[in-house]
Amino acid sequence: EAGVAQSPRYKIIEKRQSVAFWCNPISGHATLYWYQQILGQGPKLLIQFQNNGVVDDSQLPKDRFSAERLKGVDSTLKIQPAKLEDSAVYLCASSKEMVAGPTDTQYFGPGTRLTVL
Amino acid sequence: QKEVEQDPGPLSVPEGAIVSLNCTYSNSAFQYFMWYRQYSRKGPELLMYTYSSGNKEDGRFTAQVDKSSKYISLFIRDSQPSDSATYLCAMSVIYGGSQGNLIFGKGTKLSVKP
Repeated sequence: EAGVAQSPRYKIIEKRQSVAFWCNPISGHATLYWYQQILGQGPKLLIQFQNNGVVDDSQLPKDRFSAERLKGVDSTLKIQPAKLEDSAVYLCASSKEMVAGPTDTQYFGPGTRLTVL
Repeated sequence: QKEVEQDPGPLSVPEGAIVSLNCTYSNSAFQYFMWYRQYSRKGPELLMYTYSSGNKEDGRFTAQVDKSSKYISLFIRDSQPSDSATYLCAMSVIYGGSQGNLIFGKGTKLSVKP
């Protein structure tokens, strides 16, 4: 079974530029998550999708971040404009069930490492 | 006070040592406790999960939860160089049978020296 795919793996941009990240979850997984992991910190949830609907985006800085999940499969996360403090690893994860049961496991991709100069 | 506290280390041990990794938490509503392992330049992978207070064993790994003290531990026996990674604790509440958002600790970086 193929894992969660993310691209690009690395991105360096200047502040105030725009950037987009792409995620392809495990086939058949209903729920998709985007996390931000700042160096030395644990992952923090930005947004959660069930199929193509948003379940939780309470921690997404909506003035600059946006995300969509196309046809309930792939997802893109965009930052516009980027700030220095957005430098982090952006992790995508997916889980099988639409409503995560207690033992529903989240499978993480390798992440996109963003550096904002 | 953060919801989940975890000493970031780094922790360096010789091969074969017993490793103890710990997290404390403040939210008594947390019911589901997990340990993730994250190798350098990789995403986290689930190592173990547990619900209730007590111990759960899986090979060389033992997860321990003490809800009365709001304290969880991961023990690694006979540690190997391949165990060198960052270990993240994570926890969530359960709402009506559904898992809430995962709240992660900062992670402890472990190095096992041959």
